[in-house]
Amino acid sequence: DAGVIQSPRHEVTEMGQEVTLRCKPISGHNSLFWYRQTMMRGLELLIYFNNNVPIDDSGMPEDRFSAKMPNASFSTLKIQPSEPRDSAVYFCASSLMGGLNEQFFGPGTRLTVL
Amino acid sequence: AQRVTQPEKLLSVFKGAPVELKCNYSYSGSPELFWYVQYSRQRLQLLLRHISRESIKGFTADLNKGETSFHLKKPFAQEEDSAMYYCALSDSWGKLQFGAGTQVVVTP
Repeated sequence: DAGVIQSPRHEVTEMGQEVTLRCKPISGHNSLFWYRQTMMRGLELLIYFNNNVPIDDSGMPEDRFSAKMPNASFSTLKIQPSEPRDSAVYFCASSLMGGLNEQFFGPGTRLTVL
Repeated sequence: AQRVTQPEKLLSVFKGAPVELKCNYSYSGSPELFWYVQYSRQRLQLLLRHISRESIKGFTADLNKGETSFHLKKPFAQEEDSAMYYCALSDSWGKLQFGAGTQVVVTP
C-alpha cells in the first residue's frame, strides 16, 4: 500500500494563477483532512470530510480556497487566484472515521507562489 | 477554545540523556491526545496516543488532567530520535489541533 498519495509534490506558480492540489486517501478510509504547514502558523487544519461530505471548513482561510471530494478515493484543494502568502506545504491525511483513529499523512505538496 | 501549547521550539540533548517534550492543552471536554513525529524526509506519523497507555520506541506520555499536560518522555535519547515532534488534541470527529512542534536534536 502506497499510503496517502498527493500530487504534485512541488508546485511553483505565479501570483494570480489557479492551483489545484490532489489527494488519494488510503482505500477504506472514510475521513479525509487537508492541512497547511507554514513557519509562522505551524500545522493548521483547513477542512475535513467524512464519507465525502465536508464537515468543517472553518480553517479555510478565504473564499479563494475551495475543496472537493467527488468520491471516496479522490479530493482536491484549489486556490484561485493564488497569492504569495499561500506558499506553504499542504498535507492531506486520511483515517477511519472517529476521534481516536490514527491519521495517515501524505508526503505533502510544497507550493511556492511567486 | 481548544489549544495545544508546546513551549520549546528546539530541544538539544546528548545521546543517552533523558529527554522530555512539554505539551499543555486547553479543552472543555474530555481530551484525546496524541504525539505525532516527523523524521527527516519522512511523512508525519503517529508516535503514540494517550488512551493506549503504550510505550513506543521507548517513549511514554502521561495525561495529567490536573495540570492539563501530556508531556513526552524518554529516559535515554538515541540519535535516531532526532525529529520534529507534534502534540495534538482531537475532538470526537477526529479533528486534530496541533501544537507548534518541538525539534529534537540528539548529539553523540
